[in-house]
Amino acid sequence: EDQVTQSPEALRLQEGESSSLNCSYTVSGLRGLFWYRQDPGKGPEFLFTLYSAGEEKEKERLKATLTKKESFLHITAPKPEDSATYLCAVQFYNTDKLIFGTGTRLQVFP
Amino acid sequence: EAGVTQFPSHSVIEKGQTVTLRCDPISGHDNLYWYRRVMGKEIKFLLHFVKESKQDESGMPNNRFLAERTGGTYSTLKVQPAELEDSGVYFCASSRINEKLFFGSGTQLSVL
Repeated sequence: EDQVTQSPEALRLQEGESSSLNCSYTVSGLRGLFWYRQDPGKGPEFLFTLYSAGEEKEKERLKATLTKKESFLHITAPKPEDSATYLCAVQFYNTDKLIFGTGTRLQVFP
Repeated sequence: EAGVTQFPSHSVIEKGQTVTLRCDPISGHDNLYWYRRVMGKEIKFLLHFVKESKQDESGMPNNRFLAERTGGTYSTLKVQPAELEDSGVYFCASSRINEKLFFGSGTQLSVL
């Protein structure tokens, strides 16, 4: 069965303390891997799409990378406003639906 | 540009009652999706419309759930009769063809 696993479930960082979130998947025929940010009481907000192994994308303090079996979301020098749940989702070729992981809840303290 | 709008934001009903959730997608978005997150679990796909047609309804749990998209604009998701396990947050998302999804803030459904 296609599966998406995110780790850790929760992460507490000091402001400025860089770290990485992991998303591993067992989808066959990957069409794309997506990262979303979700704030409390809101829907997921799109961050990145990665399509092939070796691809990297950056946005401010975030950088997403993709291998054949996993993706990392690197957070460099995080700020308190980066606190949120980060969701990973995969999509495979014969459908538009997204398969989500359970997310990593990130808290950044000043 | 207005975002995806969902009504109501919260709904509390008793088991056996009927509830209808509404989603207004971003104007011009042909794709409309429904997803659901139940307590402690991941967000799961329910169904996908392209304009007014159901493209994929493989995630619909059972025949108590009915989704419609009249004229390819707004969509409704009706649960009849509601059961305790239907509680969760229902998200709607929309997109142009082959573009990124925009999610609404969700409807928190509590079935007592």
